[in-house]
Amino acid sequence: KNEVEQSPQNLTAQEGEFITINCSYSVGISALHWLQQHPGGGIVSLFMLSSGKKKHGRLIATINIQEKHSSLHITASHPRDSAVYICAATFQGAQKLVFGQGTRLTINP
Amino acid sequence: SQTIHQWPATLVQPVGSPLSLECTVEGTSNPNLYWYRQAAGRGLQLLFYSVGIGQISSEVPQNLSASRPQDRQFILSSKKLLLSDSGFYLCAGGQIPGELFFGEGSRLTVL
Repeated sequence: KNEVEQSPQNLTAQEGEFITINCSYSVGISALHWLQQHPGGGIVSLFMLSSGKKKHGRLIATINIQEKHSSLHITASHPRDSAVYICAATFQGAQKLVFGQGTRLTINP
Repeated sequence: SQTIHQWPATLVQPVGSPLSLECTVEGTSNPNLYWYRQAAGRGLQLLFYSVGIGQISSEVPQNLSASRPQDRQFILSSKKLLLSDSGFYLCAGGQIPGELFFGEGSRLTVL
């Protein structure tokens, strides 16, 4: 069964802290996505990766294909980073994206 | 770049009334299109997806239906809404395994 599991479900941290959100998946994937959902509900794609590591500003996404695991890191976190972060996977041979349950991140000033 | 337009943004409907949510795509041809629903406090659940005009795959048996009358248009409908249809509906599009683009979402409240 194609599954995506995220942890933690909720994360509260102080401004400036280094943040890590984890994602694991059940079987082989063709791509792994990290998405950001703001309180209004709109979703923005942060990263799409199938191997290695990608960086954009203070955000870093890594994936370990052998371990079926990906992480999203936020350096020097800021209150504006507060959002729900969602991991989603496209499984090999499939035409759809399977979403994790999301991680609600709150950064306090 | 690809853009997804979705409307209406907010909708309050009585039980038993019909529903039509529309999604259109700009900037690409023959995209895969998806309708997701997010109940309060829950993750995104795939409802329907389409790989081409007139081709609809249903993921969850329910009170809803979807249609794709044109390459860049995807419609989510219901003949009679239930209370349990309340939620946040999101249209997405793209080429698998490429990047997906998302609409702004439609928040439906059924009273």
